[in-house]
Amino acid sequence: QVQLQESGPGLVKPSETLSLTCTVSRSSITSFFWGWIRQPPGKGLEWVGHGFYSGTTSYNPSLKSRVTISIDTSKNQTSLQLTSVTAADTAVYYCAKVIKSASYYILDSWGQGILVTVSS
Amino acid sequence: DIQMTQSPSSLSASVGDRVTITCRASQSISTYLSWYQQTPGKAPKLLIYAATSLLSGVPSRFSGTGSGTDFSLSISSLHPDDRATYYCQQSFNSPFTFGPGTRVDF
Repeated sequence: QVQLQESGPGLVKPSETLSLTCTVSRSSITSFFWGWIRQPPGKGLEWVGHGFYSGTTSYNPSLKSRVTISIDTSKNQTSLQLTSVTAADTAVYYCAKVIKSASYYILDSWGQGILVTVSS
Repeated sequence: DIQMTQSPSSLSASVGDRVTITCRASQSISTYLSWYQQTPGKAPKLLIYAATSLLSGVPSRFSGTGSGTDFSLSISSLHPDDRATYYCQQSFNSPFTFGPGTRVDF
């Protein structure tokens, strides 16, 4: 069973860049798509975007100008960068394994999530 | 973006009850719909994909129906472990939007 573990700073200052890493175990990073989803405290889930090791990416248009998802095959990791953060970006950030099957995109495994607070 | 709505937003039931949650999409999404269960403080878990397919290992008391714009998740006999928030999510068009969630309590 694949394991995913998010890591990164839990506190980011406004206007700075949020950078998170998700380390994948028990699965090759080249075998699937990898997604990032976030959840503000006490609220619902928001799709941030997803990527493939080939460089293919898809981002939520509401974040598109600020977000980058990348895949590092040498480290079996996926990373998320979100620039110019504000308090509205405070959330638990999850990485997830995305199975793409016949145009279905299915989030079948999730990391435990990491809370990132944007505050000075 | 495709908007997803869910009803009810919350419900209270008893162990052994049959529970049904509905999800509606703002446009037809065929069967590009998944259901997730999130217990407090935990990451969501996939229950059902492609509207009706039960993920291996998920108890058979969970079932999904629907296509087009209207979908439902049913729990045939509520178990204490089912206390959670349930989300639907479409993957017909990016961004893959989620419903606002339905909280199931006892």
